[in-house]
Amino acid sequence: AQKVTQAQTEISVVEKEDVTLDCVYETRDTTYYLFWYKQPPSGELVFLIRRNSFDEQNEISGRYSWNFQKSTSSFNFTITASQVVDSAVYFCALSEPQSLGDDKIIFGKGTRLHILP
Amino acid sequence: DTGVSQDPRHKITKRGQNVTFRCDPISEHNRLYWYRQTLGQGPEFLTYFQNEAQLEKSRLLSDRFSAERPKGSFSTLEIQRTEQGDSAMYLCASSNHGPFGGRKAFFGQGTRLTVV
Repeated sequence: AQKVTQAQTEISVVEKEDVTLDCVYETRDTTYYLFWYKQPPSGELVFLIRRNSFDEQNEISGRYSWNFQKSTSSFNFTITASQVVDSAVYFCALSEPQSLGDDKIIFGKGTRLHILP
Repeated sequence: DTGVSQDPRHKITKRGQNVTFRCDPISEHNRLYWYRQTLGQGPEFLTYFQNEAQLEKSRLLSDRFSAERPKGSFSTLEIQRTEQGDSAMYLCASSNHGPFGGRKAFFGQGTRLTVV
């Protein structure tokens, strides 16, 4: 069963518009971590945020904000006043850590974001 | 630069050849991960090490794949008798345990393998 679903395969918006990337996850663990990564054309995955399952406060970092809602198992990502440099593939991911076992990150399929000048 | 580095960045090989990739993690990180990413997909977990111990291998990692981290620092991923289906981006990541558990993994730029 897919654990991280990013229903939006590709989004295009005009520069300065706001855009929200959706992420829905599935887990039976009570302790888990959610992530967002950015993958620009260079290929490197750039860490954006990690949120643990006990902290439902929304977070804002500059033009980026994240909305974590356990009730709907969603962890959505909003870019305000988008810029061309925001064009990239964005991945939502889930980690289900165990004591010394695996805590590998499970990625969604990504959303390709195009910011048009 | 103290990030995760991978070498080579690109590799083109003929089917049936062996290839080896190297990953140098962030120096103080005790965990090292290998992921594979095919076109249009998210990265998929292959294996990970805690120091020099390989703790888990995905079912994606066939017998032709082997990974090592002999001294708990850099790691190598070898693919023997490459097949066209092995063509992908191979990503390495490293992490350390965070203050509240969970790990903030830092990724390298990847090695893009093309098997012709």
